[in-house]
Amino acid sequence: DAGVTQSPTHLIKTRGQHVTLRCSPISGHKSVSWYQQVLGQGPQFIFQYYEKEERGRGNFPDRFSARQFPNYSSELNVNALLLGDSALYLCASTQKGPKETQYFGPGTRLLVL
Amino acid sequence: AQSVTQLDSQVPVFEEAPVELRCNYSSSVSVYLFWYVQYPNQGLQLLLKYLSGSTLVKGINGFEAEFNKSQTSFHLRKPSVHISDTAEYFCAAASGWDFGNEKLTFGTGTRLTIIP
Repeated sequence: DAGVTQSPTHLIKTRGQHVTLRCSPISGHKSVSWYQQVLGQGPQFIFQYYEKEERGRGNFPDRFSARQFPNYSSELNVNALLLGDSALYLCASTQKGPKETQYFGPGTRLLVL
Repeated sequence: AQSVTQLDSQVPVFEEAPVELRCNYSSSVSVYLFWYVQYPNQGLQLLLKYLSGSTLVKGINGFEAEFNKSQTSFHLRKPSVHISDTAEYFCAAASGWDFGNEKLTFGTGTRLTIIP
């Protein structure tokens, strides 16, 4: 079975630009979460979505937004990029139900110049 | 808010020696604890999790962890490490783990290096 997939794998942008990252969950998984992992640190929670609704939001500015589609895939959008947005962006999916494991994708590495 | 502290940023260990990676969490009424491993240029893979029940949790690749409520710790152990265990290890916690509330708070990670 395919795991969580993310695209693109790598991305280079300049300050002020906009970026869209994509995530496809494991088949049958209806919940998607996004995390930001800055180099040398642990992942930080950005958003969680289920059935196209936002279920959780971390401490990130409004420049960060996300959405989930009817097929449960998700997009993370970041506007007005800053140098500090350079990070590995991880997507995780969970099957519906309590206490289910989160499965992580390989991430998208974003470099902002 | 939940917080997780990993006390060692780097741990070098000789091959076939035992290892313990330390993790402490902030006290909460209910807490769910996880250990993830991250190999270079890859995402996170779940090693083990504690949700309830027995305080000794066994995971994949020979790892185990013990939940200690009085010391608010969840240390990861392996009796004999291999070169392939070289990776970054993250401890994570959640104060709720019902559907729609799976937010994980991660520690800063411990880089485990196995010395041949």
